[in-house]
Amino acid sequence: DVKVTQSSRYLVKRTGEKVFLECVQDMDHENMFWYRQDPGLGLRLIYFSYDVKMKEKGDIPEGYSVSREKKERFSLILESASTNQTSMYLCASTFGRNTEAFFGQGTRLTVV
Amino acid sequence: AQTVTQSQPEMSVQEAETVTLSCTYDTSESDYYLFWYKQPPSRQMILVIRQEAYKQQNATENRFSVNFQKAAKSFSLKISDSQLGDAAMYFCAYRPRTYGQNFVFGPGTRLSVLP
Repeated sequence: DVKVTQSSRYLVKRTGEKVFLECVQDMDHENMFWYRQDPGLGLRLIYFSYDVKMKEKGDIPEGYSVSREKKERFSLILESASTNQTSMYLCASTFGRNTEAFFGQGTRLTVV
Repeated sequence: AQTVTQSQPEMSVQEAETVTLSCTYDTSESDYYLFWYKQPPSRQMILVIRQEAYKQQNATENRFSVNFQKAAKSFSLKISDSQLGDAAMYFCAYRPRTYGQNFVFGPGTRLSVLP
């Protein structure tokens, strides 16, 4: 089974802190994604990567950056956390263009 | 812009009954995939069913089936013989086959199953 693992299920950070959310997948998937999930808005794409060291902005990249130094790991970085970044963050990966996404268990981030 | 709409924010169904969740989408693409994902309280997103747009036959997976109407851009999910474990958020998602295009998710429908 494909496993996508996010480093934390719950995280509480202070405003202005630099926050790292880590995601690791174990099935050699080329494509990895970071989504933000908010009630009534569904999942919104923050950043994605189709290969190592490659990254593309999604629909809501402001305030975020990403890093993909190794194929299996895709990190989401909040350079200076703000309260409006309090949300659920989901990591996903896919193999090829025509397959479903496999998701991590989500990180619920609270910025106080 | 491609959008996915789920017009029912919440629904409920009696155990063992049948329920249908609605989804419509807007796209100018002709070749794409449609998905239904389930997110239970554990938060783990699980694929329920997948439909390829070029296939006319509706996909089925055990108690789950879809009604795919390509011309109407409609993709509803029917859950038969509902079980307590079906209670979850359900997300409809669309993904074109065009390179560089990503998933688009609907806002979700919260399904409650009543004993």
